[in-house]
Amino acid sequence: QSVLTQPPSASGTPGQRVTISCSGTSSNIGSEIVNWYQQLPGTAPRLLIYNDNQRPSGIPDRFSGSKSGTSASLAISGLQSEDEADYYCASWDDSLNGPVFGGGTKLTVL
Amino acid sequence: QVQLVQSAAEVKKPGASARVSCKASGYTFTSYFIHWVRQAPGQGLEWMGMINPSRGSTSYTQKFQGRVAMTRDTSTSTVYMELTSLTSEDMAVYYCARGTIALPDYWGQGTLVTVSS
Repeated sequence: QSVLTQPPSASGTPGQRVTISCSGTSSNIGSEIVNWYQQLPGTAPRLLIYNDNQRPSGIPDRFSGSKSGTSASLAISGLQSEDEADYYCASWDDSLNGPVFGGGTKLTVL
Repeated sequence: QVQLVQSAAEVKKPGASARVSCKASGYTFTSYFIHWVRQAPGQGLEWMGMINPSRGSTSYTQKFQGRVAMTRDTSTSTVYMELTSLTSEDMAVYYCARGTIALPDYWGQGTLVTVSS
């Protein structure tokens, strides 16, 4: 059971916009920053969004992050086949004194 | 560019220990924490702990307290993670990842640890 809650799956067709939610509590998302990671099949996770809504260099602006209260969201616009991957949210947890991850969302491009 | 290169896959017997290395390059080794995160087959990401390469100080999640040790060698910019008393439940890909004290950014390629008699 992950501390942060994500839907196990999401899907969309090429060109569509999809959002993935991440729900937490006041001891993590509600008071700390959120990162998002993309994990392509058979590879290591890659940082996609940091500090709630910042994109590292090299990440297309099709990817965006937002946060409100104890929830965060990842939006992917102009969906492409290469976006098919697992997506994880993460945040620091003040009670556990360490980072916590969501269970991951498997994105399928139909 | 930032690179974290991990050691090769290991096969261990139950009760043995596994030691995974993570060699960093492309940045100032002592300026960032190194986190260790594992992923069991078909499962999500699980944070194990982290080390401050500058001071050598560590923080482990309660689940692994007493069974994990993270050390560093500043002369080679390498961090080590040793996990003892392995069981089948420890079979996973182990990742090192650079980051702030809070969250990882750059990740290593992962090291598969197989536990089998």
